[in-house]
Amino acid sequence: NAGVTQTPKFRVLKTGQSMTLLCAQDMNHEYMYWYRQDPGMGLRLIHYSVGEGTTAKGEVPDGYNVSRLKKQNFLLGLESAAPSQTSVYFCASSYSMDQGLGTKAFFGQGTRLTVV
Amino acid sequence: AQKITQTQPGMFVQEKEAVTLDCTYDTSDQSYGLFWYKQPSSGEMIFLIYQGSYDEQNATEGRYSLNFQKARKSANLVISASQLGDSAMYFCAMRERYSGAGSYQLTFGKGTKLSVIP
Repeated sequence: NAGVTQTPKFRVLKTGQSMTLLCAQDMNHEYMYWYRQDPGMGLRLIHYSVGEGTTAKGEVPDGYNVSRLKKQNFLLGLESAAPSQTSVYFCASSYSMDQGLGTKAFFGQGTRLTVV
Repeated sequence: AQKITQTQPGMFVQEKEAVTLDCTYDTSDQSYGLFWYKQPSSGEMIFLIYQGSYDEQNATEGRYSLNFQKARKSANLVISASQLGDSAMYFCAMRERYSGAGSYQLTFGKGTKLSVIP
């Protein structure tokens, strides 16, 4: 079982460069999420999607865009990277709330991004 | 106001002892769920335990139990018989049923770093 797979695992960007992080899940989950993790801040939601073709802003969406053209994929884009976007990025997925409140989120292994 | 508060940035526990990691939450929803995740140094997020707001019994999963005190809005994680492999970051998270975006996402606390001493 692959679960949730993130690509790439590591990346170094120069300020102003752009990049796309790919998240793929094979569990037929409706919901997908992008979080960032910074020391002392826990995980903060960037964007999320509740189904194919839908996206919504989370707590810290500025500087990021997302797309969910296929149910199994959720892309996170940085149009013009800034040092403040240096972080570990986690993708997660879960079944919808139709499965109940206890439907847990499955996480990818994380992407460590450094912007210099 | 923070929805999830974990007041212990770091904790130490002797191997084989029990330890309690604190979590308090803030919601006006009557229907919500509380989760604990473990993040070892390798970085992956591992689901540990879940408690629903209407569950009458405290949740248990092996050595993990959740001390759920609804009136106090606390959901503390208890790890019994600590092992060296329990050394990790632990995150408390909440999903709310009717609070807009909160219905879809997990809101996380800042985490507690647990170190198990041999």
